[in-house]
Amino acid sequence: AQKITQTQPGMFVQEKEAVTLDCTYDTSDPSYGLFWYKQPSSGEMIFLIYQGSYDQQNATEGRYSLNFQKARKSANLVISASQLGDSAMYFCAMNSGGSNYKLTFGKGTLLTVNP
Amino acid sequence: GAVVSQHPSRVICKSGTSVKIECRSLDFQATTMFWYRQFPKQSLMLMATSNEGSKATYEQGVEKDKFLINHASLTLSTLTVTSAHPEDSSFYICSASPPKTGFTNTEAFFGQGTRLTVV
Repeated sequence: AQKITQTQPGMFVQEKEAVTLDCTYDTSDPSYGLFWYKQPSSGEMIFLIYQGSYDQQNATEGRYSLNFQKARKSANLVISASQLGDSAMYFCAMNSGGSNYKLTFGKGTLLTVNP
Repeated sequence: GAVVSQHPSRVICKSGTSVKIECRSLDFQATTMFWYRQFPKQSLMLMATSNEGSKATYEQGVEKDKFLINHASLTLSTLTVTSAHPEDSSFYICSASPPKTGFTNTEAFFGQGTRLTVV
């Protein structure tokens, strides 16, 4: 069974600074995918970034980058140049059951960006 | 990216009544959809996998007779909460699985979610 662990219930960051949100995972599958989603107070799930287990390079999408350390089973999200609109819940997830779309989520980290 | 629409976004119902939530894939056919439940300040928990033309697959601990799932077409899955009680109050959100061909995205596409309050 897959498991995602996010150990930071809440994080604070100053506007324009970078922040790292931690995520560790556990799986026995050799092939898997890791995802980060943002959930603002409205509830929608906004896809941020994806990392495949066989990808050689760390994924990047604009201000988001994923620090993938396979040996440590970690997939931390780095947000550069934080903006006030980045304040939200952030969930790390991984696919399961052989499906790219059936996801197991971590408990989430509430990020607050201070002006 | 692909669009998944969920309706209604909010619903309040009386205890003992049933509520139907719809999840539609607007620009692709989805043979599989997933239903998640999220209690306040908690994570998303998968409830069931909805399969077009066949029975849904429920996760352990989810009552299939209480949470009825119907996936009668390739663009629509419905979740019906039967005989709702206050403890069923939660945020329900669906995601859809696009076909492998024609899509290079790897992410699941989520609906906007439905906030159910049972009074």
